[in-house]
Amino acid sequence: GAVVSQHPSWVICKSGTSVKIECRSLDFQATTMFWYRQFPKQSLMLMATSNEGSKATYEQGVEKDKFLINHASLTLSTLTVTSAHPEDSSFYICSAQAPGTSADTQYFGPGTRLTVL
Amino acid sequence: RKEVEQDPGPFNVPEGATVAFNCTYSNSASQSFFWYRQDCRKEPKLLMSVYSSGNEDGRFTAQLNRASQYISLLIRDSKLSDSATYLCVVNWGSGTYKYIFGTGTRLKVLA
Repeated sequence: GAVVSQHPSWVICKSGTSVKIECRSLDFQATTMFWYRQFPKQSLMLMATSNEGSKATYEQGVEKDKFLINHASLTLSTLTVTSAHPEDSSFYICSAQAPGTSADTQYFGPGTRLTVL
Repeated sequence: RKEVEQDPGPFNVPEGATVAFNCTYSNSASQSFFWYRQDCRKEPKLLMSVYSSGNEDGRFTAQLNRASQYISLLIRDSKLSDSATYLCVVNWGSGTYKYIFGTGTRLKVLA
């Protein structure tokens, strides 16, 4: 089946530092990947849609200069949280569309838990 | 009105019980519908897609009512392992593949 990995699984950082999260499709090529954020006891909120070779499309209210997305290859998208603050602490999950499946089927990575002190 | 709305629960049911969850969505142009399951501190996993004709997968049955804009999930013969949060997901609009998640319904199956 389609497998998506994320790295790191969890990260703790100091306020003001930047954190990079990687999302990889392991056994398929994904032209489109998605980044979500989930706060405790809340649902997943789509942050941005990442397309290989082009700029990401951000959802309303998501600062593109703070959450930098790069989708340089068909198997890798990265999310960089720049100048992280405690309110950025959250569970960040990526997903990818797998070819050969229904066009709107998304496979999720295991998530990255970010804690900003 | 929220885009995708679910009763957060929790639903506490005994093993073997039948339980049903509903979910309503606000955008009539929504094309695809899914139920995902999320265990605590894990990523969501696809449980089943929801089709207009209704579909069944073992103990799980999903229904879609486009006229009333709601979908449902029925779980029969609940197992302890069914304890999780069930997320209703709607593909937003026509020709776009953005998922909009409901807040989830928490199910706890009791021994």
